[in-house]
Amino acid sequence: DAKTTQPPSMDCAEGRAANLPCNHSTISGNEYVYWYRQIHSQGPQYIIHGLKNNETNEMASLIITEDRKSSTLILPHATLRDTAVYYCIVRVHGDSNYQLIWGAGTKLIIKP
Amino acid sequence: GAGVSQSPSNKVTEKGKDVELRCDPISGHTALYWYRQSLGQGLEFLIYFQGNSAPDKSGLPSDRFSAERTGGSVSTLTIQRTQQEDSAVYLCASSLWFELSYNEQFFGPGTRLTVL
Repeated sequence: DAKTTQPPSMDCAEGRAANLPCNHSTISGNEYVYWYRQIHSQGPQYIIHGLKNNETNEMASLIITEDRKSSTLILPHATLRDTAVYYCIVRVHGDSNYQLIWGAGTKLIIKP
Repeated sequence: GAGVSQSPSNKVTEKGKDVELRCDPISGHTALYWYRQSLGQGLEFLIYFQGNSAPDKSGLPSDRFSAERTGGSVSTLTIQRTQQEDSAVYLCASSLWFELSYNEQFFGPGTRLTVL
């Protein structure tokens, strides 16, 4: 089972910031939070990842709460091309197997 | 540079037939992953390779599924005696090195398998 919970869908107006929440209340100290997105009929695309600190790159910002039980992906100025399913994933460490366990994600629809 | 490629892009087969799906990872990537995705669902992890070795095959759905990788590059996923429930998009990804704590996976476009 996925270790994260996300809302199934969200809308956001074009040009506004899109804030996508994720709960990962059972995360352990050495597990990273990853975000990927999947545009229709394409393979997933890496966005950002983090452990404890907030992270920012050219695509998005990742805000992780101090207790690490939740995080928020922020797309600062959403465009229509950001319409996709966004997956929040916790990297599971089992023996030597670093799996990414995927949930159903959040379908983000950017509206003009 | 070239990304991850998969072939065929679409495969329609009859129940009971064997199919072989191919993945060409990014050059120099030592880790390779197979996932499948049913319609409207998230990704289901199947197997990963570090080099030519697959340390854990427990994610494969049944013994009809097998995968191999040769030369640390191309990988094939084989499904024997296909069943209708095998219908899905099969995605391949590669990453630079499996043991890195940072593990950005680059995905291919997938193979859409339909079993009639």
